[in-house]
Amino acid sequence: SAVISQKPSRDICQRGTSLTIQCQVDSQVTMMFWYRQQPGQSLTLIATANQGSEATYESGFVIDKFPISRPNLTFSTLTVSNMSPEDSSIYLCSVAAGYSNQPQHFGDGTRLSIL
Amino acid sequence: AQSVAQPEDQVNVAEGNPLTVKCTYSVSGNPYLFWYVQYPNRGLQFLLKYITGDNLVKGSYGFEAEFNKSQTSFHLKKPSALVSDSALYFCAVNNAGNMLTFGGGTRLMVKP
Repeated sequence: SAVISQKPSRDICQRGTSLTIQCQVDSQVTMMFWYRQQPGQSLTLIATANQGSEATYESGFVIDKFPISRPNLTFSTLTVSNMSPEDSSIYLCSVAAGYSNQPQHFGDGTRLSIL
Repeated sequence: AQSVAQPEDQVNVAEGNPLTVKCTYSVSGNPYLFWYVQYPNRGLQFLLKYITGDNLVKGSYGFEAEFNKSQTSFHLKKPSALVSDSALYFCAVNNAGNMLTFGGGTRLMVKP
């Protein structure tokens, strides 16, 4: 399966600032996704990162708050903008081959704390 | 809409005993079902999947899962638990495009 690297692995940020999280894959992948996970809780899909076009956001998530880039088939970024303590969470990148019967594979996540 | 339920927040089992982590699902059409495990400070690791065919699916680390269509269940099992199996387990379903729907997760605690 693909090797997925996420940076940074963790960060502590001040409220009102923004942080960009990077997701790098060692091979070209069709689908890339961004999730949010409260510690010990389930995953919530933020958006699907589309190569060469705007990301597809899930209900409750907007581009102004979570801008996403995907310049090629191996890389994507998620920015958490104008952060507040409620944004403290784990942010996970995942990739998939593009077929429903294939599993997604996940990076190790970015653990974000907002002071 | 598709949904997944993991009725137990936590499962406790003694090392060497069999373990079961329960999962039920609701989808229209044929489901693709997955189990993932998450260790502390790590992402989710894929354990096994059911697509079609044999109802008993074998996966990584000695885990297996049984698909039961009539009960709409996909329980994760292991004949003999290890302390190192202690982790957070997620069941997920996909039958619409590439969108995974996750259950709430079950924390497995294996005690020596």
